[in-house]
Amino acid sequence: DAKTTQPNSMESNEEEPVHLPCNHSTISGTDYIHWYRQLPSQGPEYVIHGLTSNVNNRMASLAIAEDRKSSTLILHRATLRDAAVYYCILNRDDKIIFGKGTRLHILP
Amino acid sequence: NAGVTQTPKFRILKIGQSMTLQCTQDMNHNYMYWYRQDPGMGLKLIYYSVGAGITDKGEVPNGYNVSRSTTEDFPLRLELAAPSQTSVYFCASSYSGDFVNEQFFGPGTRLTVL
Repeated sequence: DAKTTQPNSMESNEEEPVHLPCNHSTISGTDYIHWYRQLPSQGPEYVIHGLTSNVNNRMASLAIAEDRKSSTLILHRATLRDAAVYYCILNRDDKIIFGKGTRLHILP
Repeated sequence: NAGVTQTPKFRILKIGQSMTLQCTQDMNHNYMYWYRQDPGMGLKLIYYSVGAGITDKGEVPNGYNVSRSTTEDFPLRLELAAPSQTSVYFCASSYSGDFVNEQFFGPGTRLTVL
């Protein structure tokens, strides 16, 4: 299985940017990098995905290292509603494999 | 659109009982999935389906069965409930299986086996 490594937890202040790191040193050329998040007592929701180039959408930005062995999810201005577990996932063989993710705490 | 709906929201079973967790999506998605999430852990894939009549095993299929007779519905069957199956179960769907397309998740079913 394609493995990713994320910090167990992170803290950030409200209205400040947040950078969530992910290492995926065994990534192969066709693996997409996906990020999902799970708010308390809810199912996961899609955040963003990318292959090689940096990506932006209304929720976040995804910065992918040139060698693709790591990536960073960027929340530009965190709010209390962004407190969640964030999962960095490699799409391989039509299966999403969830790790433990990073629990993001937002301080008011 | 209601998206992905799951019933029931909560259920308590006794050891050895059977039940079916229901999942329905109204987005005309081809792919559907069942996951389980144990406390403090990430999600584990139980079964998935690429279309009506086609199902395949995920990481943790033992103790479960699925069927996919229509595009909309993907029920998960527990035949002989065991305490190890106490978990939160999530159903999800996506337009295609190449995972470029996002998965949409239901709200989950919290199952306790005593």
